[in-house]
Amino acid sequence: SQQGEEDPQALSIQEGENATMNCSYKTSINNLQWYRQNSGRGLVHLILIRSNEREKHSGRLRVTLDTSKKSSSLLITASRAADTASYFCAHFYNQGGKLIFGQGTELSVKP
Amino acid sequence: DAGVIQSPRHEVTEMGQEVTLRCKPISGHNSLFWYRQTMMRGLELLIYFNNNVPIDDSGMPEDRFSAKMPNASFSTLKIQPSEPRDSAVYFCASSLGQSRVPYEQYFGPGTRLTVT
Repeated sequence: SQQGEEDPQALSIQEGENATMNCSYKTSINNLQWYRQNSGRGLVHLILIRSNEREKHSGRLRVTLDTSKKSSSLLITASRAADTASYFCAHFYNQGGKLIFGQGTELSVKP
Repeated sequence: DAGVIQSPRHEVTEMGQEVTLRCKPISGHNSLFWYRQTMMRGLELLIYFNNNVPIDDSGMPEDRFSAKMPNASFSTLKIQPSEPRDSAVYFCASSLGQSRVPYEQYFGPGTRLTVT
C-alpha cells in the first residue's frame, strides 16, 4: 500500500498546549500537504510543503519535512478547543495526480 | 465562491436500489476527485477526472460503481445495485491543475450514504 502512516492515531491535550502530529510516507514526493477535517465535514487544506523545503509556517502551524526519513510533522502551537479535529497528511502517488491520504490523527483539545 | 457542492447531503436507501450522488466542482477547476470515507478503511480515492476525462479509476470497488463527468461543472457517482457495505461518506473534491502539477484539493461537505 502507498498509504502513509500517521501517529499518534489520537491525541488529547489541554487548551494552550502544543500538539505535534507525525506522518511517514513511502514514495519520493514533490510536496506533502496537511488537511484538517472537522466532525461531519469535508477536508480543508491547511498547508503545503515542497520537497526542497525543510520547514514552513502558517499562523500557529509549523510543518517540517525530512525527505531522507520520508517523514513530516505538524505542530499546532497554543492549541484552542476549536482545533479539535482530525488531521491528515497527503502526498501525490508516483508524481501523478492521485493524492494519497494517511489514516489521520484525531486531536482533542480540552478547554 | 460557493465551494464544491454535493447533493444530496444524506441518502438512506434499501439494498438493491440505485443511488446517484452529484457534485458541482469549483468553477475553473479542471480536476475532480471522488473519495469514500469509512472508519475501517479511512479515506479512499475512487476515481479522478482531469478536463472531464477519467484518469484513474483503479479505486472503484467493482462494476456496481460508475462515475461520469459530462461537462466541467457536473459529475455523478452511481451505485447500482447498492449494498449495505457501500454505507459511507462520499466526498467530491476539485483542484486547479493537471495530473502532474499538484495543487491543493477543495472538498465538498460529503454525502452520507446509508444502505439498509
